Amino acid sequence: QKEVEQDPGPLSVPEGAIVSLNCTYSNSAFQYFMWYRQYSRKGPELLMYTYSSGNKEDGRFTAQVDKSSKYISLFIRDSQPSDSATYLCAMTGRTGGYQKVTFGTGTKLQVIP
Amino acid sequence: KAGVTQTPRYLIKTRGQQVTLSCSPISGHRSVSWYQQTPGQGLQFLFEYFSETQRNKGNFPGRFSGRQFSNSRSEMNVSTLELGDSALYLCASSYLTGGTGELFFGEGSRLTVL
Repeated sequence: QKEVEQDPGPLSVPEGAIVSLNCTYSNSAFQYFMWYRQYSRKGPELLMYTYSSGNKEDGRFTAQVDKSSKYISLFIRDSQPSDSATYLCAMTGRTGGYQKVTFGTGTKLQVIP
Repeated sequence: KAGVTQTPRYLIKTRGQQVTLSCSPISGHRSVSWYQQTPGQGLQFLFEYFSETQRNKGNFPGRFSGRQFSNSRSEMNVSTLELGDSALYLCASSYLTGGTGELFFGEGSRLTVL
């Protein structure tokens, strides 16, 4: 079983829709939670970075962390065609003696005009 | 500020050959991490270097190795290439070690093994 599970999609939504992306994890040592966005033929770029349980909002994006359920979400409001990309959840914690980042496999999102 | 630069961007090798990939981090960043990205497995951690020392290593065979130079530039080497090594290899630099800071990724080196 993977430490981080993420539905690979693809997820196709009409422009203006609310998008919900989710990840579950099994390692209680994870402390920091991130969402990265990766456009085709590009490297991932950081979207959201959270430490504690709760919500964090940045423009049209809201990151939600529920440590008790080991579940994180990214919501995108008023989705735009430019949001079409692969979204990767990532978590930082101590595994095997060292702290490192573990990524989900990514969810491919397509926003249709 | 210049971003993370990876070279080469694309390369084709045959089984049994070896390959060396290069990564120049953002100026001032001392941490460089390497990841392998494939459609089925996503991003898998290879290793992290910080101030020329390997801080952590993922579950990859010994054919995968790396190093970091005093100017923080890093190289990774894959020897005796196998078909399954075909992937996008991403380098990420960070000011902090251990994933506690934001990772800045390069555009990757896409390796095809024939």
